Amino acid sequence: DQQVKQNSPSLSVQEGRISILNCDYTNSMFDYFLWYKKYPAEGPTFLISISSIKDKNEDGRFTVFLNKSAKHLSLHIVPSQPGDSAVYFCAAKHRVDNYGQNFVFGPGTRLSVLP
Amino acid sequence: DAGVTQSPTHLIKTRGQHVTLRCSPISGHKSVSWYQQVLGQGPQFIFQYYEKEERGRGNFPDRFSARQFPNYSSELNVNALLLGDSALYLCASSRDRGRFRNTEAFFGQGTRLTVV
Repeated sequence: DQQVKQNSPSLSVQEGRISILNCDYTNSMFDYFLWYKKYPAEGPTFLISISSIKDKNEDGRFTVFLNKSAKHLSLHIVPSQPGDSAVYFCAAKHRVDNYGQNFVFGPGTRLSVLP
Repeated sequence: DAGVTQSPTHLIKTRGQHVTLRCSPISGHKSVSWYQQVLGQGPQFIFQYYEKEERGRGNFPDRFSARQFPNYSSELNVNALLLGDSALYLCASSRDRGRFRNTEAFFGQGTRLTVV
């Protein structure tokens, strides 16, 4: 039972345009969401997070939007750069996870930014 | 500052053997968690340790165990290795913001375990 879904295995975007990566979740008890980026042969790198009490969080070129009623979040990257080409993982934390490190990850979306 | 460091980076073991993977957290981080990432999937939570005590366990068999040392470094042990244990094992650490405070995890580069 996959609680965090990323239905697009891959996405290609032209350099300078917007990249939109989507994530859906099924568990209404998730209260904290994160996006990670992963290059080959490296560990995941934290990008941005959002608490369930918010619907938007921005950090530079990265913005995460949360729609709790739809159980959907998205990551916007503007403008996209070739160095953004990587696998992007959406992750979520359950409300009762008091120590806060049991993240449930989606399967990832491979983003390719074309020059 | 050094990030999360894991050793070894690659390892080949035979079925039935045991393996120990090591992790040093970012300086000042007291929480360490372990994840398994199988090819084509996202990382899957195995354990979390905070202040040397187990604080969370994922859906993994008892062949998997871990511990955290007084200096907050950690070991993951896997006994009676199966072919299906072949994966990237990731260690992550996080700042101490206290219970009930959300914080991100910082990952190491992982240990690639191949069981033959």
